Amino acid sequence: EVQLVESGGGLVQPGGSLRLSCAASGFTFNNYAMTWVRQAPGKGLEWVSGLSGGGRNTYYADSVKGRFTISRDNSKNTLYLQMNSLRAEDTAVYYCARFHGGNLQQYHFDYWGQGILVTASS
Amino acid sequence: QSVLTQPPSVSGAPGQRVTISCTGSSSNIGAGYDVHWYQQLPGTAPNLLIYGNSNRPSGVPDRFSGSKSGTSASLAITGLQTEDEADYYCQSYDSSLSGWVFGGGTKLTVL
Repeated sequence: EVQLVESGGGLVQPGGSLRLSCAASGFTFNNYAMTWVRQAPGKGLEWVSGLSGGGRNTYYADSVKGRFTISRDNSKNTLYLQMNSLRAEDTAVYYCARFHGGNLQQYHFDYWGQGILVTASS
Repeated sequence: QSVLTQPPSVSGAPGQRVTISCTGSSSNIGAGYDVHWYQQLPGTAPNLLIYGNSNRPSGVPDRFSGSKSGTSASLAITGLQTEDEADYYCQSYDSSLSGWVFGGGTKLTVL
């Protein structure tokens, strides 16, 4: 059974940093690209960042480029999101999800974690 | 403002059929990129409902179907049930943004 479990969320002051982790199990982790999607309170879904299975290729939404860094440790079956210079508008539930599809442009998100809340507020 | 446009809400009575539209442009749906749909029940994570425009993952009832034409896509739900009350999101890839994009979401109410 595929499982994705996020951790590391919490309250941080604007301008601060936080690192999210996503522990994966139930599949061959390094065979899959992974991604982060967020949802602000009462709002819709927003894709944040993605990473290829080998960790070589990274992708970022314009809203987080230069502030967030995605990475993975395939030996630990874990995906990370380092979030720096956090802003109030980054407040959201962050979901870890598995990418799936024939090629990059056709990727969809076939498994999701339960989500973790990040609040950037003073 | 979402790149993909969905109606904010739709509603229907139990047993009825509803459709949810997803309108894009020449840089996403119109460029030939697949459309995928997700169901988000209240207080839970999204769940994949339709992938590759019209394919259902195992376990998804055949009451749910998807289609795509031109710069738009649609999700149809037949035989509405109360447990279908949820938010529904479409998703595709956008070449102008070089990233994956979602619709703003549609809240389905079963009357």
